[in-house]
Amino acid sequence: GESVGLHLPTLSVQEGDNSIINCAYSNSASDYFIWYKQESGKGPQFIIDIRSNMDKRQGQRVTVLLNKTVKHLSLQIAATQPGDSAVYFCAESNQGGKLIFGQGTELSVKP
Amino acid sequence: NAGVTQTPKFQVLKTGQSMTLQCAQDMNHEYMSWYRQDPGMGLRLIHYSVGAGITDQGEVPNGYNVSRSTTEDFPLRLLSAAPSQTSVYFCASSLAGGTYEQYFGPGTRLTVT
Repeated sequence: GESVGLHLPTLSVQEGDNSIINCAYSNSASDYFIWYKQESGKGPQFIIDIRSNMDKRQGQRVTVLLNKTVKHLSLQIAATQPGDSAVYFCAESNQGGKLIFGQGTELSVKP
Repeated sequence: NAGVTQTPKFQVLKTGQSMTLQCAQDMNHEYMSWYRQDPGMGLRLIHYSVGAGITDQGEVPNGYNVSRSTTEDFPLRLLSAAPSQTSVYFCASSLAGGTYEQYFGPGTRLTVT
């Protein structure tokens, strides 16, 4: 069946370093991918998205890479800050409209 | 704009009780959805709606009902609460389903004893 999963449940980085959060998906029909950030006690917040006709998209301090050959998605955060500490979810969708979330990775930034 | 609002923020129910979780959005979004989030897990889709009068089931619909009589509101009803429904519930909306950014509400933390 469809599944989206993350390789690591926790990630600890030093402030100022770059962070990379990985995600694997299994549904080759998925054509839209999103990264969400969820801080404690809050709802998920959109970070960046990418469509399947792209392999890279950049935002402010964040980059999403999509490798359709191996069904892999990653989120890169440049110059990680304490405010980046949160749980990060990848999610996939197709024209059917349903969003399927991965398990989540907790990012901890050490000052 | 208030965005997506949810009430209540917290709720404790006894097994067998029923209740309605409220969700409203003021962005004129057609697509609305309900998710539940259990500890250490991602969000799982319960029900969704692509517009007023249209609803459909997600991954985990059993024990929940929804209706969409207006564009703005999408309530989630628990028919007979069970301890397995203890979770945090999030409502979300977007311009359309699938390939549009979803905006999430702050969540309702539900405990069923």
